[in-house]
Amino acid sequence: DAGVTQSPTHLIKTRGQQVTLRCSPKSGHDTVSWYQQALGQGPQFIFQYYEEEERQRGNFPDRFSGHQFPNYSSELNVNALLLGDSALYLCASSLAVPGGDTQYFGPGTRLTVL
Amino acid sequence: AQTVTQSQPEMSVQEAETVTLSCTYDTSESDYYLFWYKQPPSRQMILVIRQEAYKQQNATENRFSVNFQKAAKSFSLKISDSQLGDAAMYFCAYSKGGSEKLVFGKGTKLTVNP
Repeated sequence: DAGVTQSPTHLIKTRGQQVTLRCSPKSGHDTVSWYQQALGQGPQFIFQYYEEEERQRGNFPDRFSGHQFPNYSSELNVNALLLGDSALYLCASSLAVPGGDTQYFGPGTRLTVL
Repeated sequence: AQTVTQSQPEMSVQEAETVTLSCTYDTSESDYYLFWYKQPPSRQMILVIRQEAYKQQNATENRFSVNFQKAAKSFSLKISDSQLGDAAMYFCAYSKGGSEKLVFGKGTKLTVNP
């Protein structure tokens, strides 16, 4: 049973560039959430996708956008990169069932903005 | 807004001993979920244990158990018979429902001494 996968593992970009990160959810899961984890901090919620729609959004600017595909995989796009966007980006998947379910995380993508 | 506070930035324990990590949270909800996640240097966020607020019985998973005090909004993690592989960052997290966004604390770095 494949867990949550993310690509790429590491990425180096320069200020002003755009980046796309990818996530494949755990088999059987239909909901994908994205988190940003700055060094030495806990993860911060960016947004969540369910049925190809953005269902929830955290306090992040519009430069952060996403997409979910019919196979439930997801992309996170960041435009006009800033130095402060350097962080570990974590993807988590879950199953939208009544009563809730647990979010399972991928290994993350380390983004460095120079 | 919900908040999660971990007041111990770092803790250490001798191998085979017991250690307790503290977590408090703030919410006006009556039903919610609490989690402890472990993040080793490999970065992957791993679920340790989960507690539903409506359940009075404290959750246990092998050597890991929680002390859930709903009125005090406290959710501590006890690790018994500590092993070298337990060394990691531990994050306490809150969710209104299992697939709702997770709100994380800042984490506690656990060192296990041989």
